[in-house]
Amino acid sequence: DAGVTQSPTHLIKTRGQQVTLRCSPKSGHDTVSWYQQALGQGPQFIFQYYEEEERQRGNFPDRFSGHQFPNYSSELNVNALLLGDSALYLCASSSGSGYTFGSGTRLTVV
Amino acid sequence: AQTVTQSQPEMSVQEAETVTLSCTYDTSESNYYLFWYKQPPSRQMILVIRQEAYKQQNATENRFSVNFQKAAKSFSLKISDSQLGDTAMYFCAFMKRIAGNEKLTFGTGTRLTIIP
Repeated sequence: DAGVTQSPTHLIKTRGQQVTLRCSPKSGHDTVSWYQQALGQGPQFIFQYYEEEERQRGNFPDRFSGHQFPNYSSELNVNALLLGDSALYLCASSSGSGYTFGSGTRLTVV
Repeated sequence: AQTVTQSQPEMSVQEAETVTLSCTYDTSESNYYLFWYKQPPSRQMILVIRQEAYKQQNATENRFSVNFQKAAKSFSLKISDSQLGDTAMYFCAFMKRIAGNEKLTFGTGTRLTIIP
């Protein structure tokens, strides 16, 4: 049973560029949440998608946007990258009975 | 808004000993879940243990147990007979128990090192 799959695992981008991160949820899960984990910190909630709509959003600027597809997979897009966007981005899927996290995408902005 | 505080940035203990990680939280909710997650160098968050706030009995999972003090808003994790594989970052997390809400609020973590 495949868990949560995230791609790519590592990414280096230049300040001002745009990036797209991808997440495939665990089989049977219909909700996808995204978290940003800065170095040495706990994950911070970005937003959550359910039935292809954003259901909840954390305290992140509009540069952070997302999408959920009919097969429940999801994308996180970040525009106009800043150096401070460098972090581990974690995707988690759920179905009301518990969360499963992926191994994350390490984004470095230079 | 909910907050989760972990006051121990780092801890170390000898293999086979017992260690307790501390967590306090602040919320006005009466119905919620509390979690401990482990994050090894592989980066994946792994659920260690879950506590439902309406249950008075402390949760246990093999060598892992919690001391849940609802009035004091305290939720500590005890690891017994610690093993080298327990070396990791440990995060305490909170979730409201509301249908359609599955947002986790995390603490800043405790880096635990098990010494051979």
